[in-house]
Amino acid sequence: KNQVEQSPQSLIILEGKNCTLQCNYTVSPFSNLRWYKQDTGRGPVSLTIMTFSENTKSNGRYTATLDADTKQSSLHITASQLSDSASYICVVSADGGSQGNLIFGKGTKLSVKP
Amino acid sequence: DTGVSQDPRHKITKRGQNVTFRCDPISEHNRLYWYRQTLGQGPEFLTYFQNEAQLEKSRLLSDRFSAERPKGSFSTLEIQRTEQGDSAMYLCASSFDHSWDEQFFGPGTRLTVL
Repeated sequence: KNQVEQSPQSLIILEGKNCTLQCNYTVSPFSNLRWYKQDTGRGPVSLTIMTFSENTKSNGRYTATLDADTKQSSLHITASQLSDSASYICVVSADGGSQGNLIFGKGTKLSVKP
Repeated sequence: DTGVSQDPRHKITKRGQNVTFRCDPISEHNRLYWYRQTLGQGPEFLTYFQNEAQLEKSRLLSDRFSAERPKGSFSTLEIQRTEQGDSAMYLCASSFDHSWDEQFFGPGTRLTVL
């Protein structure tokens, strides 16, 4: 069964600190992996998209890594800011699959405290 | 602001009533998606359109749900005879032509069924 598991479920860090969010998936065959940021009560906003051949991609203070062999991805946030408080959702797309095969994780809820 | 708009942003209705939501995608995008998201969960795929054609529907989309995109631009999602279990955030997203193209999400419509 295609699944995307994220950890931790929630995380509290102090402003200025770094953190790493994890995503493990069992989606096959793999097409791409995306990280989204979702503020409370808003729609998700894309941070990064990575295909099979990419193992790292950065977007400002956000850096995503992908290990297609172990089927793991991480999202590293550097020098966190209060505005980073949000849910971060890992989404994996199956190659050649239907649109229903865009598999969403449940997200990690990050709270950045001053 | 991703360029995808949804209306209304919030809807409170009584059980048994019908509701209709609207989504205006980014104008150059041919694909339009509907998702449902409940608290603490990732979005769940409902249906998608390629231009005006509805190409796929999830098993989640019961016969009380209907979606249209009559001119290949905006889309509507109607829920008939609403139930309390329909309470959720309804998200719309749009993209270019391919399943691997990035999806841009709207702010969502929060539905509460009393």
